[in-house]
Amino acid sequence: GENVEQHPSTLSVQEGDSAVIKCTYSDSASNYFPWYKQELGKRPQLIIDIRSNVGEKKDQRIAVTLNKTAKHFSLHITETQPEDSAVYFCAADLIMNSGYSTLTFGKGTMLLVSP
Amino acid sequence: DAGVIQSPRHEVTEMGQEVTLRCKPISGHNSLFWYRQTMMRGLELLIYFNNNVPIDDSGMPEDRFSAKMPNASFSTLKIQPSEPRDSAVYFCASSSIQGHQPQHFGDGTRLSIL
Repeated sequence: GENVEQHPSTLSVQEGDSAVIKCTYSDSASNYFPWYKQELGKRPQLIIDIRSNVGEKKDQRIAVTLNKTAKHFSLHITETQPEDSAVYFCAADLIMNSGYSTLTFGKGTMLLVSP
Repeated sequence: DAGVIQSPRHEVTEMGQEVTLRCKPISGHNSLFWYRQTMMRGLELLIYFNNNVPIDDSGMPEDRFSAKMPNASFSTLKIQPSEPRDSAVYFCASSSIQGHQPQHFGDGTRLSIL
């Protein structure tokens, strides 16, 4: 099955700095990599995703990069703001022979942005 | 779209009692997932359904846990009998059955077993 490792587990930055969260996955058949943001007491919410035919995707202050050869992908947040403080989860999709797919999640990164 | 709807939002009950968590997926989504989240173990997939059929329940921790999806718009996760170590936040998520689609999460049920 798929195994997703996420680092770091905690990340503290000053407002305005950049933050980078990295994930590796084990199954080369994975083709879809979403990122979720979970604020305290809230549900995980999709913030950006990338598919294997794309190496990089950007949406305002957040960007995701994917290296399929090395089987790793990263989330980049620029000009961080206190409201970016949350737990971020990466995930990798695996399509099984049956055609069904599931997501395997990383353990999460707690990002704290200090004013 | 109302999103994935879960009920109740909070449940506090004594050990040994039966607990039933409910989920209504997004209309048109035909994959449904139940997760458990704790500080120690993170987000764990318990079971998922495609077109109302359970596909993989290998994440269900014990026989005390069961899940059903009687129709495309409703699913339940039942714990009987409940134990204090079942205390966690339980999320339901849904997605399109087509590959490479995101899962959309409900607001979760915070379960406390005393």
